[in-house]
Amino acid sequence: EAGVAQSPRYKIIEKRQSVAFWCNPISGHATLYWYQQILGQGPKLLIQFQNNGVVDDSQLPKDRFSAERLKGVDSTLKIQPAKLEDSAVYLCASSLATGLGGYTFGSGTRLTVV
Amino acid sequence: AQTVTQSQPEMSVQEAETVTLSCTYDTSESDYYLFWYKQPPSRQMILVIRQEAYKQQNATENRFSVNFQKAAKSFSLKISDSQLGDAAMYFCAYVNDKIIFGKGTRLHILP
Repeated sequence: EAGVAQSPRYKIIEKRQSVAFWCNPISGHATLYWYQQILGQGPKLLIQFQNNGVVDDSQLPKDRFSAERLKGVDSTLKIQPAKLEDSAVYLCASSLATGLGGYTFGSGTRLTVV
Repeated sequence: AQTVTQSQPEMSVQEAETVTLSCTYDTSESDYYLFWYKQPPSRQMILVIRQEAYKQQNATENRFSVNFQKAAKSFSLKISDSQLGDAAMYFCAYVNDKIIFGKGTRLHILP
């Protein structure tokens, strides 16, 4: 089966600019996750979707981050305006409904804010 | 709140030898899953092994096995016959309604 697709692979922007990341999960996976992984740390959940509804966005900085999954398939994560501390790898993952069978991750987008 | 602790930021092992990565976690739940993920330089998180908390038997996948001590809330990963391709970051993860990762252990394989 095809994996979780993410684009772009790399992005460099100046602070205060905006950026968007795209994720296409595995076909049939109802649950989609966006994680932020700062260098030297484990991934931190930003937002979790179940189909096109938000399940958990408690750690999403809503003043600058937004995400959508309008048709319950692919998803976009946006940052506007970006700050230096947003430099990180943004990972997308998908799973069947509960996630207990394991998560499949994409290769991530490495964002550098200068 | 659930937490996952990996106390070894880095470890090294000689090729063909055995290495054990440590992980402890804290939870008040009785039903959950524990995972070990491998993250090579390509950044993609790869599931190595999975353990259901209700199972007493330790999970095994080829050269990878775990030592799951539920009462002690410990979940260590043993890699036997280490290979150069095992070099990566390894993350321990706790899963209940969401997944929580530890900070990772960087494993070096010495030829």
